Amino acid sequence: GQQLNQSPQSMFIQEGEDVSMNCTSSSIFNTWLWYKQEPGEGPVLLIALYKAGELTSNGRLTAQFGITRKDSFLNISASIPSDVGIYFCAGPSGAGSYQLTFGKGTKLSVIP
Amino acid sequence: DVKVTQSSRYLVKRTGEKVFLECVQDMDHENMFWYRQDPGLGLRLIYFSYDVKMKEKGDIPEGYSVSREKKERFSLILESASTNQTSMYLCASRTAGNEQFFGPGTRLTVL
Repeated sequence: GQQLNQSPQSMFIQEGEDVSMNCTSSSIFNTWLWYKQEPGEGPVLLIALYKAGELTSNGRLTAQFGITRKDSFLNISASIPSDVGIYFCAGPSGAGSYQLTFGKGTKLSVIP
Repeated sequence: DVKVTQSSRYLVKRTGEKVFLECVQDMDHENMFWYRQDPGLGLRLIYFSYDVKMKEKGDIPEGYSVSREKKERFSLILESASTNQTSMYLCASRTAGNEQFFGPGTRLTVL
């Protein structure tokens, strides 16, 4: 089946720094979704991308749908302590599939 | 805003008990999903439903069943709980655009 590789697996950064993480696949995706999960909570959808090359922002978060349709990037600018959590990428498991394939996540820690 | 609610945040049950986890969404979505999440294993799909009374097995359906009698409600049933079903259970509801919205999760402990 499809797999999504997320990197890095974890990051420790200073408050105020910018963060960049990415997600790659061996197959083409027509949708990329980015979620954030805080400890003990369910994932929350941050950004959805639908077109190759698309760049979408949500506050300090910016995500891009890669031109090859096999990757996506999430950037967080000027990180703050509440950015702490696990960030997941996800995409449909196949053409016409109801299911999503999820990456294993990038765990972000912000040092005040 | 899409709202997905789950009946309990925390649940403690004994081995062999029948367990019901309920999920309700308020956006008239046709598709609903149950996942479990375990450290190192990520999110794994247990069952999903693409319409009322319709269900399909996900990747790990063994030991679980589901019920979808009404569009807004999707229940996960553990017929006879076992300790290896201790996990975080997440329900999600899907839009036509493939976005899934998750509930807050139920952390189930089976003793």
